[in-house]
Amino acid sequence: EDQVTQSPEALRLQEGESSSLNCSYTVSGLRGLFWYRQDPGKGPEFLFTLYSAGEEKEKERLKATLTKKESFLHITAPKPEDSATYLCAVQALTSSNDYKLSFGAGTTVTVRA
Amino acid sequence: ETGVTQTPRHLVMGMTNKKSLKCEQHLGHNAMYWYKQSAKKPLELMFVYSLEERVENNSVPSRFSPECPNSSHLFLHLHTLQPEDSALYLCASSHTTGVLTTEAFFGQGTRLTVV
Repeated sequence: EDQVTQSPEALRLQEGESSSLNCSYTVSGLRGLFWYRQDPGKGPEFLFTLYSAGEEKEKERLKATLTKKESFLHITAPKPEDSATYLCAVQALTSSNDYKLSFGAGTTVTVRA
Repeated sequence: ETGVTQTPRHLVMGMTNKKSLKCEQHLGHNAMYWYKQSAKKPLELMFVYSLEERVENNSVPSRFSPECPNSSHLFLHLHTLQPEDSALYLCASSHTTGVLTTEAFFGQGTRLTVV
């Protein structure tokens, strides 16, 4: 069974204090790993897709990286508007799971001014 | 209108009521999903439709009944729910070729409270 574990559960940062979120996964062949941002009371907003180990994607202050066992979401010099819950999801290569995204529980990031 | 739209945004219903959640996508996608999000838990996949055909039902209780009349619309019919069914219900859509499925785009969700 696919497993996705995110850590830490919660992260409190001072504005400008860079940090990283971890997403560890166990899947029978990775088709893709996805990062989402979710604000309270709203649906997840797509950020990145990573397909293979060594791949990196960047968007503003966010950078996602991928290894064979985990992904990191690096937040550089965060601002209060980066406060949100960040979700990681994996999609397996197994054909029967072609449509299934397995999500982690998320990391809630709070950035104080 | 663009993206994925869900209505209503909030719903309070009694355990004997029947209600429906609606989802509409304007992205030209061919797969649609219902997810349940409970506090402090990962998103749980409930139903998947691809080309209007249901392809996965993750052992969801029969009090939840999906309907996909076309590739742009998805419904979740609710009846005789339990208080533990209170959660945020999220609709999503994506494009699939059967070999590769792109990232899913989510609606804003319906906050359901069962009393």
